[in-house]
Amino acid sequence: NAGVMQNPRHLVRRRGQEARLRCSPMKGHSHVYWYRQLPEEGLKFMVYLQKENIIDESGMPKERFSAEFPKEGPSILRIQQVVRGDSAAYFCASSLYTGAGGRNTEAFFGQGTRLTVV
Amino acid sequence: AQSVTQLDSQVPVFEEAPVELRCNYSSSVSVYLFWYVQYPNQGLQLLLKYLSGSTLVKGINGFEAEFNKSQTSFHLRKPSVHISDTAEYFCAVRDPTGGGNKLTFGTGTQLKVEL
Repeated sequence: NAGVMQNPRHLVRRRGQEARLRCSPMKGHSHVYWYRQLPEEGLKFMVYLQKENIIDESGMPKERFSAEFPKEGPSILRIQQVVRGDSAAYFCASSLYTGAGGRNTEAFFGQGTRLTVV
Repeated sequence: AQSVTQLDSQVPVFEEAPVELRCNYSSSVSVYLFWYVQYPNQGLQLLLKYLSGSTLVKGINGFEAEFNKSQTSFHLRKPSVHISDTAEYFCAVRDPTGGGNKLTFGTGTQLKVEL
């Protein structure tokens, strides 16, 4: 049973290019979360998606960042016109559906994509 | 809104010594609490979690944590560490009143185990 798969593991982009980060959740998981980890910092929530729906995007920067989780295929985090400040590790996590008060609470993390903007 | 504070950014300790990594949280509602470990260039692995019930929670790799509601703390402990425990440890909270598994993380504590 494969875990959460993220690719690529490492991504180098020049300033102004686009970065596409992919996340395939664990089998059977329909909920995906993206987090960003800046150097020397903890993980910061970015966005929470269900298939074909964005549930919570309160942590997403207002510009240049977008995320999707289509009916078929992986979730994609897209960063347009990257800048040096976008250099970070981006982690994806997935879980089963958890309703309010739900105790099915474990989110499983991928190994991350380390984005370097040069 | 919740927040998590991990006051110690680095904790050096000798092998076979005990260790405690501190975590305090702030929330206007009851929360679920978690500890994750991150080995170099890896993702996060769940060590243990507190949802309700007994305030002493046992996790993997010999770690345990104690939930203290009055002090809003969830400190992680291990009675005897091993070199392989060298890693970054993150405390996190989740608001159980909302759906989903959105987590709020602390800034992490780097545990360095020395011979």
